[in-house]
Amino acid sequence: GAGVSQSPSNKVTEKGKDVELRCDPISGHTALYWYRQSLGQGLEFLIYFQGNSAPDKSGLPSDRFSAERTGGSVSTLTIQRTQQEDSAVYLCASSLVGVIPHQPQHFGDGTRLSIL
Amino acid sequence: DQQVKQNSPSLSVQEGRISILNCDYTNSMFDYFLWYKKYPAEGPTFLISISSIKDKNEDGRFTVFLNKSAKHLSLHIVPSQPGDSAVYFCAASLSGTYKYIFGTGTRLKVLA
Repeated sequence: GAGVSQSPSNKVTEKGKDVELRCDPISGHTALYWYRQSLGQGLEFLIYFQGNSAPDKSGLPSDRFSAERTGGSVSTLTIQRTQQEDSAVYLCASSLVGVIPHQPQHFGDGTRLSIL
Repeated sequence: DQQVKQNSPSLSVQEGRISILNCDYTNSMFDYFLWYKKYPAEGPTFLISISSIKDKNEDGRFTVFLNKSAKHLSLHIVPSQPGDSAVYFCAASLSGTYKYIFGTGTRLKVLA
């Protein structure tokens, strides 16, 4: 498709399990972002990729969270030993960077993660 | 520390009237601002943006106003339509960085 694709759309797992969330950005977009939206909150920045490198990981809440991007395209966000406070909607976005300043970020529909 | 604030969690407006959504920010270094619209179970969709060198940007029924001295921006929708019912997020960014700082959103309901 033409937009940002995220999978799975929903994930329910038990506390303590590891989860992997996947993001397929728009083709040709070099920048990729992960955000999290907890209930009643705004979007919280987690990490930014330019190509395969992550110059800004400042939003990752703990060392249980990690992300990687391969081939300048697909990204996975991994949460190890999940906790109930990790329950949220995880949103991925992508944008063109360096071509024209301030290109807007385009979002996927998110993965709703529920930790039991 | 909430750098971008949307103090009204919800707003109801009659169809055909003007909707005004407000956003305040604290960091005077922000130089680019955006509004996103979000329907349930979908990702946010980019609506309109404004650079800090401007004080107004218009796109069809949507106009964003920026008041730098007050650190305030607003989104005007006129005329409002039932399909505009959604959660609206404002966001701000700094030159040289690529992350957006989002507000907590305002839920707009346009009544037919």
